[in-house]
Amino acid sequence: NAGVTQTPKFQVLKTGQSMTLQCAQDMNHNSMYWYRQDPGMGLRLIYYSASEGTTDKGEVPNGYNVSRLNKREFSLRLESAAPSQTSVYFCASRHDRAPTYEQYFGPGTRLTVT
Amino acid sequence: AQSVTQLDSHVSVSEGTPVLLRCNYSSSYSPSLFWYVQHPNKGLQLLLKYTSAATLVKGINGFEAEFKKSETSFHLTKPSAHMSDAAEYFCVVIFTGTASKLTFGTGTRLQVTL
Repeated sequence: NAGVTQTPKFQVLKTGQSMTLQCAQDMNHNSMYWYRQDPGMGLRLIYYSASEGTTDKGEVPNGYNVSRLNKREFSLRLESAAPSQTSVYFCASRHDRAPTYEQYFGPGTRLTVT
Repeated sequence: AQSVTQLDSHVSVSEGTPVLLRCNYSSSYSPSLFWYVQHPNKGLQLLLKYTSAATLVKGINGFEAEFKKSETSFHLTKPSAHMSDAAEYFCVVIFTGTASKLTFGTGTRLQVTL
């Protein structure tokens, strides 16, 4: 049981380049999330998917797109990377059983945009 | 407005002394509350959660937190700090009516010295 996995672990991009961050979970969770973590700001929600085939914007969606490929996989795409997108990106999935709703996090992807 | 505040961005304790990390929230209703820990260059791990059962919640690694509705607080404590407790700690809230989205505090970095 690997939990939530993310690839790659590290990435350096030049401004304007594109890339896709991959996330997969093996816990049969319906809900999946993408966050970014910046110093002194906690984690902020970029996009989430409540179930296969649905996605919704979070707090900071600009500059990103997502795809819920199937129940296991939820990818985040940067179409034209900007230095402001330098951050650590975390994927998470969630229990659907009330009332806990705790989320399980992947190890993160450190992205630097130069 | 609903919000969560971690009162200290940095706490330093000596090994073997008590730990107190403070968290307050602002809401008209009782939310679900969590503490997550993040060790350097790692993902987030759930320490404990409060979901309207017992107000004193015990978590992993000897941590516990007490929900105090009258003070709108959910402070994290541990009787005796260990070097391995050095990490960043996030107070996280699910506010009523937010489709179970997590709202993160800005984090408290715990330093443990000999």
